[in-house]
Amino acid sequence: EDKVVQSPLSLVVHEGDTVTLNCSYEVTNFRSLLWYKQEKKAPTFLFMLTSSGIEKKSGRLSSILDKKELFSILNITATQTGDSAVYLCAVVAAGGTSYGKLTFGQGTILTVHP
Amino acid sequence: NAGVTQTPKFQVLKTGQSMTLQCAQDMNHEYMSWYRQDPGMGLRLIHYSVGAGITDQGEVPNGYNVSRSTTEDFPLRLLSAAPSQTSVYFCASGRGPQHFGDGTRLSIL
Repeated sequence: EDKVVQSPLSLVVHEGDTVTLNCSYEVTNFRSLLWYKQEKKAPTFLFMLTSSGIEKKSGRLSSILDKKELFSILNITATQTGDSAVYLCAVVAAGGTSYGKLTFGQGTILTVHP
Repeated sequence: NAGVTQTPKFQVLKTGQSMTLQCAQDMNHEYMSWYRQDPGMGLRLIHYSVGAGITDQGEVPNGYNVSRSTTEDFPLRLLSAAPSQTSVYFCASGRGPQHFGDGTRLSIL
């Protein structure tokens, strides 16, 4: 059974802090790893990682994948109150009828105080 | 730019009632899926479809039925609602990254 574990489950910081969110996985047939941000409604896509060691960056957010050690991290620098959200990690299955199937972690609840 | 549209946004049911959650997408995606989200448990896959006429079970399929007669629509049916099905339900389409609808908040009394 595919498994994705995120840590920490919750995190409280102050504006300006840097945070690192972790995602480890055990999947039978790995295609890619996704990070999403979820505020009030639907998860919104942040990054898709397919290859090890290649950092994806968008503004203050960045992410990297280690396929040998089976984990990914999401970094947020100079946090702002608008970064408060649930951050979800998901692994995409490859091949056959399971292609595209997502397995999600529990999510990390990030709270940024002014 | 509709993307994925879910209806209704909110629903309250009594135990034993049945209902259908609607999901439609306008991106011509073959792959569609339904998730439920409960506190502390992320999103769990209920059912998914890789194209019209083809569906399969996910992690938590019991108590739910799906069908896929068109590429655009993927309704989720609750056969006999139970309090344990109180949750937020998300429909998504596409293969990594998936595009999500805004969700349906369902309460079963």
